[in-house]
Amino acid sequence: AQSVTQPDIHITVSEGASLELRCNYSYGATPYLFWYVQSPGQGLQLLLKYFSGDTLVQGIKGFEAEFKRSQSSFNLRKPSVHWSDAAEYFCAVGLTQGGKLIFGQGTELSVKP
Amino acid sequence: GAVVSQHPSRVICKSGTSVKIECRSLDFQATTMFWYRQFPKQSLMLMATSNEGSKATYEQGVEKDKFLINHASLTLSTLTVTSAHPEDSSFYICSALAGGAGDTQYFGPGTRLTVL
Repeated sequence: AQSVTQPDIHITVSEGASLELRCNYSYGATPYLFWYVQSPGQGLQLLLKYFSGDTLVQGIKGFEAEFKRSQSSFNLRKPSVHWSDAAEYFCAVGLTQGGKLIFGQGTELSVKP
Repeated sequence: GAVVSQHPSRVICKSGTSVKIECRSLDFQATTMFWYRQFPKQSLMLMATSNEGSKATYEQGVEKDKFLINHASLTLSTLTVTSAHPEDSSFYICSALAGGAGDTQYFGPGTRLTVL
């Protein structure tokens, strides 16, 4: 069955430090890949997405993600974290265009001053 | 662009009553909307896919007679929790497909349902 794994439940980084959030998926073909961010008690905001083409995609708020087919991964990165980045981050996979999404368990990011 | 709203943002009701949650795409038309449920500190679980003008498709284990979905227009889908019980208390989030090819889901802010 298709699945999405975010190995890190909780990550703490210092403000200004770099960040990488991991996401691995299990699917035979290349899926549609998304990263969303959720602040407490809020809905999800799209950070970036990958459908095809350049495997390094740029998103909003200075985030980027790299698709690595050989590793079935789509890790999210940011070179310098801001305190306002503290939130829950979800990786999601769509198996068909416009189809339902399978979400990872989420990674909670805390930012130390 | 691609803004999705939900109403109400928070609702408290008594056990046995029904609650309706609205999901609207404000600046685009959405032939497909999705309804999710999220428990505290957990991920989103898809409940159903709502298509304008047709019956919703429910995920396995979701009671379609309890969670009624209506997608009467290209900008509005509603979720009605019928005969709500305390175990239905949760955070309900909708999303709508946007984009030229309908390829990206945009999410509403969610509705916190508490059943007493």
